[in-house]
Amino acid sequence: AQSVTQPDIHITVSEGASLELRCNYSYGATPYLFWYVQSPGQGLQLLLKYFSGDTLVQGIKGFEAEFKRSQSSFNLRKPSVHWSDAAEYFCAVGGGADGLTFGKGTHLIIQP
Amino acid sequence: EAGVTQSPTHLIKTRGQQATLRCSPISGHTSVYWYQQALGLGLQFLLWYDEGEERNRGNFPPRFSGRQFPNYSSELNVNALELEDSALYLCASTPGDTAGSTQHFGDGTRLSIL
Repeated sequence: AQSVTQPDIHITVSEGASLELRCNYSYGATPYLFWYVQSPGQGLQLLLKYFSGDTLVQGIKGFEAEFKRSQSSFNLRKPSVHWSDAAEYFCAVGGGADGLTFGKGTHLIIQP
Repeated sequence: EAGVTQSPTHLIKTRGQQATLRCSPISGHTSVYWYQQALGLGLQFLLWYDEGEERNRGNFPPRFSGRQFPNYSSELNVNALELEDSALYLCASTPGDTAGSTQHFGDGTRLSIL
């Protein structure tokens, strides 16, 4: 069965500092991997996705993620965070018949 | 391009009642997914509809059901409501049933059970 682990429930980062959110997955075949962001009271917005090819994926809002098959990881990074980046971030795998399997999410807090 | 729309935004029910939640997919999208986001349980796959048929369901009891209409909009029905059904219900649409298709989400319906 597929699964996603986001080890960090909360992360606090100073505005302007770099960010890395961790994601580890378990999937039987070549994974389809996604990062979504959720602001309070809203739905999920896609930041980026990996299907195949280049393992470094660029997304919206200055985010990028790197797929590492050997580590079963798909970590999300941003070189300099802004206060507006404060939100809940979800890593997900799969799609198709079984829908997406999500991690529990990482709550990002930005300190001024 | 209009995104995925869900209605109502909020719904308040009491135990034992029935709730109906609605979802309109992005124009041209034929697949609709439903997810439950309950406090402490995270996001869980509920149902998948494609081309008017239920294609798969997650680990939820039969009182969670739904349908997809010819215009590809969808309804989620929850019967015999229980307190633990209180959650944000999210709908997502994709262009088809291809694995890995990007799912585009609506803003959800907040269902509160009193």
